[in-house]
Amino acid sequence: QEKVQQSPESLIVPEGAMSSLNCTFSNSASQSIWWYQQHPGKGPEALISIFSNGNKKEGRLTVYLNRASLHVSLHIRDSQPSDSAVYLCAAPSGSFNKLTFGAGTRLAVCP
Amino acid sequence: EAAVTQSPRNKVTVTGGNVTLSCRQTNSHNYMYWYRQDTGHGLRLIHYSYGAGNLQIGDVPDGYKATRTTQEDFFLLLELASPSQTSLYFCASSAGSQNTLYFGAGTRLSVL
Repeated sequence: QEKVQQSPESLIVPEGAMSSLNCTFSNSASQSIWWYQQHPGKGPEALISIFSNGNKKEGRLTVYLNRASLHVSLHIRDSQPSDSAVYLCAAPSGSFNKLTFGAGTRLAVCP
Repeated sequence: EAAVTQSPRNKVTVTGGNVTLSCRQTNSHNYMYWYRQDTGHGLRLIHYSYGAGNLQIGDVPDGYKATRTTQEDFFLLLELASPSQTSLYFCASSAGSQNTLYFGAGTRLSVL
């Protein structure tokens, strides 16, 4: 079974700063690694995914994947108070797109 | 945009009670999932399905049954609810393998 661990558990950054979140997974053969964002009282929403080693940029988001070290990171440039949420890392295991989620990183961006 | 609707949004029952959580998706997705979310554990997969009549066991299935009656509808059944099943339950759907999961708003269940 896939194991996904996230760090830190919580992160507080000032508005405009870079937020950096980390995730390790257990299966180097995993397919796309996903990041989901969850605001209070809502269900998670897909944020960004990455398949190939290296980085992927979308707007203020950059994801880095290193399969050799089983590590993926999410960086949010120019963090805004609206970015305050729980961020969940997820890796597929087995067939049928069965995703295993980490426990999440709670991000708070202070004005 | 994918729409996944869960009902009820909140439910309180007693130990030993019978509970059914409902989920409907309106985007013709093949895959549907039930997760529970608890502090410190994140989201854990209970059951999932890749079509009407199909059921697959997830990672934490004990005490839960599920039924996929149509492509749109997926139900989670707790026939003898226990306090350990107090949790936030999410339903999700996706078009297929490697596709985005779309989550409902969740059902908060309390078992007293």
